[in-house]
Amino acid sequence: QVQLVQSGAEVKKPGASVKISCKASGYMFTRYYIHWVRQAPGQGLEWLGIINPGGGGTSYPQKFQDRVTMTRDMSTTTFYMELSSLRSEDTAVYYCARERKVERVFDHWGQGTLVTVSS
Amino acid sequence: DIQMTQSPSTLSASVGDRVTITCRASQSISSWLAWYQQKPGKAPKLLIYKASNLEIGVPSRFSGSESGTEFALTISSLQPDDFATYYCQQYSTYPWTFGQGTKVEIK
Repeated sequence: QVQLVQSGAEVKKPGASVKISCKASGYMFTRYYIHWVRQAPGQGLEWLGIINPGGGGTSYPQKFQDRVTMTRDMSTTTFYMELSSLRSEDTAVYYCARERKVERVFDHWGQGTLVTVSS
Repeated sequence: DIQMTQSPSTLSASVGDRVTITCRASQSISSWLAWYQQKPGKAPKLLIYKASNLEIGVPSRFSGSESGTEFALTISSLQPDDFATYYCQQYSTYPWTFGQGTKVEIK
């Protein structure tokens, strides 16, 4: 069965970087794009970007263009999302989500990773 | 960026009620709209895609509709398991954007 298993919670200081992993299993790794979405405490959902596991191509919203980097490791079928220059507003649960090929919606999600930014 | 305006932000209803949540896009998104249900501490779950297509396994009391840039999610008869927060999301154009969410509470 399809599984996306994320790394554990992180606590970071302002200005630091965080790198979260999302291990994919149960499907052909290169066939499905992966997105990252975050949710601040008590808030809504915010899209952080997409990675094509085949060629490694990415697309990020302008808001995060200079702070987010999405990568993948085909040998371990793992995706990574790194966010730099962290500030308190980046405190959130970060999710990876798989995009279904035809319908282009999120059909499977990771369990979420809580990132807390605090001095 | 395409803004998705969802209403209401909170909805109080009873089991058996018919409820409707609306979502308006700031520009045309064709039918590229999805609805997700989220429960506390859990990842969102896909309910509806392409405005009106029911995801496999989702109860038929959920339905989606569209009229231009206005979209709606209707629950025909609210069940105890349906008390949750619902989000619309457009996937017409990057950046993909979500509505602010509608929390469905027990009246």
